[in-house]
Amino acid sequence: AQSVTQLDSQVPVFEEAPVELRCNYSSSVSVYLFWYVQYPNQGLQLLLKYLSGSTLVKGINGFEAEFNKSQTSFHLRKPSVHISDTAEYFCAVSKAQGGSEKLVFGKGTKLTVNP
Amino acid sequence: KAGVTQTPRYLIKTRGQQVTLSCSPISGHRSVSWYQQTPGQGLQFLFEYFSETQRNKGNFPGRFSGRQFSNSRSEMNVSTLELGDSALYLCASRTSGGPTDTQYFGPGTRLTVL
Repeated sequence: AQSVTQLDSQVPVFEEAPVELRCNYSSSVSVYLFWYVQYPNQGLQLLLKYLSGSTLVKGINGFEAEFNKSQTSFHLRKPSVHISDTAEYFCAVSKAQGGSEKLVFGKGTKLTVNP
Repeated sequence: KAGVTQTPRYLIKTRGQQVTLSCSPISGHRSVSWYQQTPGQGLQFLFEYFSETQRNKGNFPGRFSGRQFSNSRSEMNVSTLELGDSALYLCASRTSGGPTDTQYFGPGTRLTVL
């Protein structure tokens, strides 16, 4: 089975500061990795995904993440955050095989960007 | 293209009742998945339907069921509601259901059980 650990439940930062949201996963098989964002009273929106190839993945809204297989990590980064980035961020994995694979989510990290 | 739509957005029920939630996927998407989101357990997979067949199921009791229609719209039903069923129920659709396909989520239905 797969599992995801998001190491920080809350991350407060100031506007224009860099941010890193940490994600570690556990799996005995190859996985695909995802970061989703959830704004208040909304569903989840995909920020980026890693399927294969380059370990540095660029997503929407200036976010990027780096896949590190040896450390089983997929940390999300942004060099300069805005107030509008305040939201909850979820890391997720799915098995990289089979026809129908569910997403397994971490518990989420609430990012608060302060002026 | 219109996104994933879920109805109703909010529901209040009492213990013991049953409830049906509806999800309309993005046009052309044949796979619909359901997830439950609670503060304590986080996001948990309920089930996935593809071409009217359930092809993956999470670890939930039989009170939770679903179905998919020929137009890919899906419903989930929860019978004999318990207080712990209070949650945000999210529906997600994708094209063929393969693991590389992006899942697009709806805004959710917030169910409150009193």
